[in-house]
Amino acid sequence: DIQMTQSPSSLSASIGDRVTISCRASQGINIYLNWYQQRPGKAPTLLIYGVSSLQSGVPSRFSGSESGAGFTLTISNLQPEDAATYFCQQSHNFPYTFGQGTKLEIK
Amino acid sequence: DVQLVESGGGLVQPGGSLRLSCVASGFTFSMNAMAWVRQAPGKRPEWVSSITGSGHNIYVADSVKGRFTISRDNSKNTLHLQMSSLRVGDTAVYYCAKDLSGGGVRGSFVYWGQGAPITVSS
Repeated sequence: DIQMTQSPSSLSASIGDRVTISCRASQGINIYLNWYQQRPGKAPTLLIYGVSSLQSGVPSRFSGSESGAGFTLTISNLQPEDAATYFCQQSHNFPYTFGQGTKLEIK
Repeated sequence: DVQLVESGGGLVQPGGSLRLSCVASGFTFSMNAMAWVRQAPGKRPEWVSSITGSGHNIYVADSVKGRFTISRDNSKNTLHLQMSSLRVGDTAVYYCAKDLSGGGVRGSFVYWGQGAPITVSS
């Protein structure tokens, strides 16, 4: 199975800040990398698919990219409603696997 | 609007069986791959199974293979998950999810239901 590792596990930032969350796969996953947001008690929602494609209806403050070290989710101009846990997920191979999550707190 | 409404969750003893259903609306059900994803309390989501729009192709996680069966009834816009030989480790919220793709499986889950909690305990 492909292991997905996120960092950091948690972070705290202020309104208006820019934050980045990293995700690394244990093997190559091409462009099959998705990002989800999950608020407490709710189902996950798809933010980004295919590394950098913004899902319809998601604010443009969210963006995804790939670097030599893996994949990155960037949230610009942080808003109160961005407080949530973020998961990366690979859809390159079965079984699809998720990262352990990054909990974002708004100061 | 897309809606996915799960039902059938609850408390079941180890070794027992349960059937989850997910009624879909707001899109052409038969033309979309679907999936079940579960999430144990405080844990990351875990993909369970996917099925193509036609129902002809099915993919199952090893952790549930031989115990869980995904199926769909396109005439009723309904997705099912038949679960048997349930274990304590199967305790989780089970989500029905619509794949981003058309009929084929892509693995990006664009819409999720509200979740059906399942507790396996004696």
